[in-house]
Formats: sequence, C-alpha cells, structure tokens
Amino acid sequence: EPEVTQTPSHQVTQMGQEVILRCVPISNHLYFYWYRQILGQKVEFLVSFYNNEISEKSEIFDDQFSVERPDGSNFTLKIRSTKLEDSAMYFCASSEAGTSGRREQFFGPGTRLTVL
Amino acid sequence: AQSVAQPEDQVNVAEGNPLTVKCTYSVSGNPYLFWYVQYPNRGLQFLLKYITGDNLVKGSYGFEAEFNKSQTSFHLKKPSALVSDSALYFCAVRNRGSYIPTFGRGTSLIVHP
Repeated sequence: EPEVTQTPSHQVTQMGQEVILRCVPISNHLYFYWYRQILGQKVEFLVSFYNNEISEKSEIFDDQFSVERPDGSNFTLKIRSTKLEDSAMYFCASSEAGTSGRREQFFGPGTRLTVL
Repeated sequence: AQSVAQPEDQVNVAEGNPLTVKCTYSVSGNPYLFWYVQYPNRGLQFLLKYITGDNLVKGSYGFEAEFNKSQTSFHLKKPSALVSDSALYFCAVRNRGSYIPTFGRGTSLIVHP
C-alpha cells in the first residue's frame, strides 16, 4: 500500500539554525500539507499546497516557514531560524485531487524536531 | 470556527469488551468528520470518515462511528476490543468549505489483556 514517507525521523538543531524537513507524498496525490504536534498537544495545521502554491496557511505559518516542491516527488518544509518553541513532531500529509473536500489525508510517520 | 472535543484523555477497557471513544464537534454547516489512529512512532492512520448518508460509518480494523447531528457527536466504537487496538485516537472535523481539518487533543485507548 502506498504511503507518505518523511526524513529524517529525528532532527536535533541549535536555536537560530535553519532546518529542512522532507516528505515524499503518495505519488498520485496532488494536495500536500504540513502539520505539527507539540508534545502532549493537539495536531495543528500549518499549511496546504496545491498546484505549486500555498492554498491555505495558519497563523503559525509565519515568515520563518516556507514550503517547496523542488521536484516531482519531494515536498519540503523549511524553518529559517529555529526557535525553542519550534520543537515538535512535524507531519506531512497528502490527499487526492478531485472532490478533495471529501478525501481523507494520508499522513507520514513524522519528523521529531528538537531545538536546543 | 470549527472545534473538536475529546473529553477523555484516556479510556481503559478489557480485551473482548466493547469500546467507545467520544468526540463532539462544533462547525458551521454540515461537517466532514474523521477518525485517525496513531501508534507509537508512527503517523496518523486514517480509520473512517463521515461525509454524507448513513449515520453509521464502518471503517478499518472493525471500528465504526455514529454521526449524531442533534448531539453534534461522532463517537468511535468497536464491539470487541483487542490489545493491539491500544493507541492514540484523534477525531477531526472539517468545514465543507475547507480542506483543513481541526483535530481533537486525542484519546489514549488502553486495552488490557
């Protein structure tokens, strides 16, 4: 069964450093998402991406964040200058096109980001 | 604004007994409702969804959920729990005008042998 993959599984970085989290969505999916889950808290939406542009973003997704689909398979989340409060599990998700309002999202296993 | 409440942080049930994980929601208009399960060190795995039609939705691994519009609830159920069902369960709601779900805080289900 196809699945969303994410690398690395765990990233440790120093405050102020840039990090890039990588995702490979399911191959025939056209909608891509990033979420984060701070330890012990709910899953929070960050951004959605379709047709090579951001379609929706939350208040969390400020100028420190950016997303990119650099090639036909990868979908990346960049945090330009990490803060301690960016420490969280980051999930990538993808869904099919068409009547996507009805389509469930398929999630990757997550990248645990630790900012020291 | 849309929101989801999962009133129980943890649900304990004996193997073989029925289980219920509760979820209530708030959304403008008719909702799309979802249940996801998260096993340790894994991503969220889709279980089932309610879009329209029959209020009783059947999903993966023998789980089902009942949409109750008057009570704005979408409780997850299973007639006979397995130890392997032990995991974190998330309810999510989405307004039909958006692709973005709002998740609940999650409920830890522990099934005892």
